[in-house]
Amino acid sequence: GAVVSQHPSWVICKSGTSVKIECRSLDFQATTMFWYRQFPKQSLMLMATSNEGSKATYEQGVEKDKFLINHASLTLSTLTVTSAHPEDSSFYICSAIRTSGSYNEQFFGPGTRLTVL
Amino acid sequence: AQSVTQLDSHVSVSEGTPVLLRCNYSSSYSPSLFWYVQHPNKGLQLLLKYTSAATLVKGINGFEAEFKKSETSFHLTKPSAHMSDAAEYFCVVSEGAGSYQLTFGKGTKLSVIP
Repeated sequence: GAVVSQHPSWVICKSGTSVKIECRSLDFQATTMFWYRQFPKQSLMLMATSNEGSKATYEQGVEKDKFLINHASLTLSTLTVTSAHPEDSSFYICSAIRTSGSYNEQFFGPGTRLTVL
Repeated sequence: AQSVTQLDSHVSVSEGTPVLLRCNYSSSYSPSLFWYVQHPNKGLQLLLKYTSAATLVKGINGFEAEFKKSETSFHLTKPSAHMSDAAEYFCVVSEGAGSYQLTFGKGTKLSVIP
């Protein structure tokens, strides 16, 4: 199967600082990637859809100025949590779409644990 | 619009006994359905998927699921639980072929008692 990586796997930062999380598709090109957020003992919630070369599409209730998404290449999307606060502490998971003909398959990264002190 | 309901938030079974995790879905179109497993502090691993082929789908680690359109269900089963099966399981639906826009269920935590 296809491989999606995330870096870092975990990060601790101080309140008010910014944190960048990278999502890479290692063996395929992905014009579309997704960013999810998962609170403890809860399901995944879609935050935004990241499209290569264009602006991300954010889900309702997600602050686009706080969660900056950049998809500058076909294998890399980044999520930057700006001016992080303790309530931003969460598990962030990305996924990438691999397209084969008319069929789209989504592959998930291993996640990034963010803790804001 | 699509939605998924996982009927049990927590299931506990003894090692060696059968596992049943229940999932009902709602979809306006012919859905694709998936089961993912997540171990603590890990990403998601695809167990199996249904994409309009055979209604009985076999996945990894001995899991299987049956798509029942009349009951709008996609329950996950395994004949004999193993300790390593203890994890969180998510039932997921997307409309149409492929897995572009996914809707996740709330998850079922499976505990396996030795």
